[in-house]
Amino acid sequence: DAKTTQPPSMDCAEGRAANLPCNHSTISGNEYVYWYRQIHSQGPQYIIHGLKNNETNEMASLIITEDRKSSTLILPHATLRDTAVYYCIVRSLTDSWGKLQFGAGTQVVVTP
Amino acid sequence: NAGVMQNPRHLVRRRGQEARLRCSPMKGHSHVYWYRQLPEEGLKFMVYLQKENIIDESGMPKERFSAEFPKEGPSILRIQQVVRGDSAAYFCASSRAPTWGDTQYFGPGTRLTVL
Repeated sequence: DAKTTQPPSMDCAEGRAANLPCNHSTISGNEYVYWYRQIHSQGPQYIIHGLKNNETNEMASLIITEDRKSSTLILPHATLRDTAVYYCIVRSLTDSWGKLQFGAGTQVVVTP
Repeated sequence: NAGVMQNPRHLVRRRGQEARLRCSPMKGHSHVYWYRQLPEEGLKFMVYLQKENIIDESGMPKERFSAEFPKEGPSILRIQQVVRGDSAAYFCASSRAPTWGDTQYFGPGTRLTVL
């Protein structure tokens, strides 16, 4: 079973920031938080990952709380092409060979 | 820098036939993961392979499914005697190694339809 909890859906206005929450209250010290998205049944696309520090790349920012029990993915300026299912995944690299366990994700719809 | 390649992109088989799905990892990647996405369901891990070795096949159905990743050539997911329930999208991902923080990159998938 997935170790994360995400809202099933959210809407976002084009041009605004999209803040996607994720709860992972049982995360352990050696587990990373990964975010992927899947646009209309295409292959999942890697977005960003982090361990305990906040991370930023050209696609998004990842904010991880100090206790690591939750995180937020921020898409700074959402576009229509950001409409997708977003998956927050806690990834263990020591007891499961790094395989990804996908949950149901959050369906994000960006509207004009 | 080519990404993960999968072929065919679409595959139609009749019940009882064999399906072979191929995955070429990104350059420099020697680890391959296969995932399956049934209609209206989430992605599920199937198998993890390194070159010439199956490391974790805990997600593979016990019968009819097999996977390989030979020293030369792509990784192959093979489904024998397909049934309608095998209709799904099959994705592979590759990485350099499952060390801390190493990232898996996905291919576009193969959509298998069993008639």
